[in-house]
Amino acid sequence: SQQGEEDPQALSIQEGENATMNCSYKTSINNLQWYRQNSGRGLVHLILIRSNEREKHSGRLRVTLDTSKKSSSLLITASRAADTASYFCATLTGANNLFFGTGTRLTVIP
Amino acid sequence: NAGVTQTPKFQVLKTGQSMTLQCAQDMNHEYMSWYRQDPGMGLRLIHYSVGAGITDQGEVPNGYNVSRSTTEDFPLRLLSAAPSQTSVYFCASRQSIGGRQPQHFGDGTRLSIL
Repeated sequence: SQQGEEDPQALSIQEGENATMNCSYKTSINNLQWYRQNSGRGLVHLILIRSNEREKHSGRLRVTLDTSKKSSSLLITASRAADTASYFCATLTGANNLFFGTGTRLTVIP
Repeated sequence: NAGVTQTPKFQVLKTGQSMTLQCAQDMNHEYMSWYRQDPGMGLRLIHYSVGAGITDQGEVPNGYNVSRSTTEDFPLRLLSAAPSQTSVYFCASRQSIGGRQPQHFGDGTRLSIL
């Protein structure tokens, strides 16, 4: 399987704290993307980082990419209850298909 | 602009029955794909299409067929349903084959095979 893996599988934090999720993958990539999934809904794209980039920001989100370690991290700063969701990393391979990790379930306690 | 629309939202089938999951997008996207989501497994790619008339297999294609007669529609057919196909199915699309754009997902079809 070309799937990546997120770590931790589940994370519970207090509102206002920062949340960090990690993703490891197996093959060389064109880009890496992070998606959010609210319960019972489809996935929503959050941020894309290219293989030649090391860090990217979007609002309260910060993504890093280390291609030598085949890993990425997603940081959500000043978390809110509305951030409660599952978060998935996805890697785009040479065949232009997107392969997803197993996800991190984030719970933000008000 | 509805995005990606999947129907039905829920379905219960008996083993051996066939059915078609519908997917339509109104964004004129070239690339469309089907995933299944199982607990602890993340999303796995079933089939994908890079344009009308062109389809190909993903990671887990066995037991499923697809066709792409128009840019807008990408139905997924279960030929003879098996309990192992109980899952949540997601259709996704993106503007072009290259993959530098985000994928847009439908809200899924929850399928139970008895």
